[in-house]
Amino acid sequence: DQQVKQNSPSLSVQEGRISILNCDYTNSMFDYFLWYKKYPAEGPTFLISISSIKDKNEDGRFTVFLNKSAKHLSLHIVPSQPGDSAVYFCAASAGHAQGGSEKLVFGKGTKLTVNP
Amino acid sequence: GAGVSQSPSNKVTEKGKDVELRCDPISGHTALYWYRQSLGQGLEFLIYFQGNSAPDKSGLPSDRFSAERTGGSVSTLTIQRTQQEDSAVYLCASSLRPGSNQPQHFGDGTRLSIL
Repeated sequence: DQQVKQNSPSLSVQEGRISILNCDYTNSMFDYFLWYKKYPAEGPTFLISISSIKDKNEDGRFTVFLNKSAKHLSLHIVPSQPGDSAVYFCAASAGHAQGGSEKLVFGKGTKLTVNP
Repeated sequence: GAGVSQSPSNKVTEKGKDVELRCDPISGHTALYWYRQSLGQGLEFLIYFQGNSAPDKSGLPSDRFSAERTGGSVSTLTIQRTQQEDSAVYLCASSLRPGSNQPQHFGDGTRLSIL
């Protein structure tokens, strides 16, 4: 039972345009959501997060949107740059509902390619 | 160090051997997590430490897997009698403290290959 789903295994965009990566979840107990970026042979790098009490969080070129009623979140990258090419993972945590461990449940990732 | 450090970066061993993987978390981080990523899959939670205790071991796939943490810092993940399905990248993460919505920061992982 996959609680966090990233339905697009890959996405290709032109440099300068917007990249939109999507993520759906099924567990209504999730209250903290994160996006990680991963290059080959490296560990995931934290990008941006959002608490369930918010619907938007912005950090520079990166914005995360949360739609709790639809159990959907998205990551917008504007403008996209070739260096953004990587695999992006969506992750979620139920925090105290899980006994406080805040373990992350990950999607399978979306490979973003930004073409010059 | 500045980030989470894992060793070795690569490990190749024969089926049936025991392996030990090491993680040095970010200094001052009280929470430590182990995950693994099999080929083409997302990251899968294994175990969580708060200090030296492990209140959540729910992700360990079998009793061949164990982990410990000493001094509230370094952690080792041990896999006994390795099987080919244990081949994966094992990732360690740490966070400042649980219950505060702090992001987890990951090391570069140990790529384990069982022949």
